[in-house]
Amino acid sequence: GQNIDQPTEMTATEGAIVQINCTYQTSGFNGLFWYQQHAGEAPTFLSYNVLDGLEEKGRFSSFLSRSKGYSYLLLKELQMKDSASYLCAVKDSNYQLIWGAGTKLIIKP
Amino acid sequence: DAMVIQNPRYQVTQFGKPVTLSCSQTLNHNVMYWYQQKSSQAQKLLFHYYDKDFNNEADTPDNFQSRRPNTSFCFLDIRSPGLGDAAMYLCATSPGGTSSPLHFGNGTRLTVT
Repeated sequence: GQNIDQPTEMTATEGAIVQINCTYQTSGFNGLFWYQQHAGEAPTFLSYNVLDGLEEKGRFSSFLSRSKGYSYLLLKELQMKDSASYLCAVKDSNYQLIWGAGTKLIIKP
Repeated sequence: DAMVIQNPRYQVTQFGKPVTLSCSQTLNHNVMYWYQQKSSQAQKLLFHYYDKDFNNEADTPDNFQSRRPNTSFCFLDIRSPGLGDAAMYLCATSPGGTSSPLHFGNGTRLTVT
């Protein structure tokens, strides 16, 4: 079966750096997405990786290793507003999105 | 601003009483999706449309149906809601394409009493 694994919950301190990991086992690979979802709100798109390596977008970066079936989202200079769930999703060989259950990130002052 | 709008934001229905959730988009995207999201679980795809082509996921219960009368609107009908259908229902759109992200509405939180 197809599977996406992410930690259920993480805690970090304001101003610090946090890395949220995602491992996947899917039938084929056509890209990996990260979304941010604040409580009670819509998921919003953060990043897309299809090639190995690091993509940087301001305070957020996303890394992909296709050979390891692994990605991480790196958040720098954490702010209180970064408290949210972070969802990892992979497009399989049929271009269907397989979703992880999300990682709830709690930021403490 | 182009967007995806879901109504209502919160819906309370009684056990067995039909309910309809609506979604509209001003993005003119070809693809529309309905997801069910429950706490601590991966969101589950119920249906998606590519233009008017309807795609029903194999494990979507018969209790759930959908309509897309035109490009802009999509509806989710739950014929006989059970307590297990209480969830957040998310509508999303996409222009299609491998790298295109989904654009989500704010969701409808369904409570079944």
